[in-house]
Amino acid sequence: DVKVTQSSRYLVKRTGEKVFLECVQDMDHENMFWYRQDPGLGLRLIYFSYDVKMKEKGDIPEGYSVSREKKERFSLILESASTNQTSMYLCASSFPTSGTSSYNEQFFGPGTRLTVL
Amino acid sequence: RKEVEQDPGPFNVPEGATVAFNCTYSNSASQSFFWYRQDCRKEPKLLMSVYSSGNEDGRFTAQLNRASQYISLLIRDSKLSDSATYLCVVVRPSGYSTLTFGKGTMLLVSP
Repeated sequence: DVKVTQSSRYLVKRTGEKVFLECVQDMDHENMFWYRQDPGLGLRLIYFSYDVKMKEKGDIPEGYSVSREKKERFSLILESASTNQTSMYLCASSFPTSGTSSYNEQFFGPGTRLTVL
Repeated sequence: RKEVEQDPGPFNVPEGATVAFNCTYSNSASQSFFWYRQDCRKEPKLLMSVYSSGNEDGRFTAQLNRASQYISLLIRDSKLSDSATYLCVVVRPSGYSTLTFGKGTMLLVSP
């Protein structure tokens, strides 16, 4: 059964702290993604990776960085957490897309609800 | 026009009703479209793909109108378990084919 796991379900941190969110997938997917989801704003892509040690900025990368040292693991880092980074963070993974008309389903983890005080 | 737009709802319908959601997208070069479903406090999951010819999966029918740049989802004979938020998803036609999610339409099915 397909599985994407995230290190924490709930996390509370203080402003200025460095925060690590971990995501692990067991499907041998090349692509991994980090999104945040906020009421009224929907899901927004922060960063993604299409291979080990490769990363690409999504739509809202400011204030975040990522690390992909192993194929199965993709980490999201908040260098200095701020209150506007309080959100639900969702990790996803998929096989790579081939061609312009094909696509592979993204499988999501259960999410980490991060509160920054 | 926003990349992907949906009516947020909520749509309140009784069991057994037929309900339809629409979604519009701005990039006419977009080729691939999907509906994802997200239950309350859960992660999104793929519901179905949307093809030009339309496609059906049981009680669910998805349609694409390229000329008007909209996608629809029809749910027949609504069940209580259909209560969820339905996310319209468009694959960006350039770069790494990342997904753009609509903000979702909430459906509440009541007994």
